[in-house]
Amino acid sequence: GAVVSQHPSWVICKSGTSVKIECRSLDFQATTMFWYRQFPKQSLMLMATSNEGSKATYEQGVEKDKFLINHASLTLSTLTVTSAHPEDSSFYICSASLGGWNTEAFFGQGTRLTVV
Amino acid sequence: GESVGLHLPTLSVQEGDNSIINCAYSNSASDYFIWYKQESGKGPQFIIDIRSNMDKRQGQRVTVLLNKTVKHLSLQIAATQPGDSAVYFCAEMGQAGTALIFGKGTTLSVSS
Repeated sequence: GAVVSQHPSWVICKSGTSVKIECRSLDFQATTMFWYRQFPKQSLMLMATSNEGSKATYEQGVEKDKFLINHASLTLSTLTVTSAHPEDSSFYICSASLGGWNTEAFFGQGTRLTVV
Repeated sequence: GESVGLHLPTLSVQEGDNSIINCAYSNSASDYFIWYKQESGKGPQFIIDIRSNMDKRQGQRVTVLLNKTVKHLSLQIAATQPGDSAVYFCAEMGQAGTALIFGKGTTLSVSS
């Protein structure tokens, strides 16, 4: 199957700083990528849909100015957590789709963010 | 009336037993359903999928059942092994290419 790679796998940052997480489709072009957040012992919650070349679509309750998403190419989407606070500590996961009528989604390995 | 399997947050089984994990989905218009396995600190791993025009699909040691009448999905794992221990999530997709929406997970613990 197709491979999606996230970087970094884990990151620790200080409160008030910004952190960028990368999501790359390694062997296919992804028109659409999705960002999820997962708190401990909970399910994956969709944050936003990232479309190459256009603005991301955010789910209700997700602050677009805090979680900046950029999908500048067909193989890379980035999520930047700005002015991070301890409550932003979570597991962030991206997935990528081939698009069109293809329903298969490929997931990255996730990024563990800890804000201290 | 027909009984619907309840979602359980945890399920403990003995090695070799069959496991059944249940999930209720929310959108009657969803067309595509997937079961994922997630191990600690990792992203979801695809197990098996099923489209809305089917009610059963079998894979290697796994079977997914879909009951659209009551919006219920189940995953059956035959001869459960310790390596099957993980959190299992069902996910639904509306239209092709849209985001997967995940249900509540079930933590499966297999003891040998």
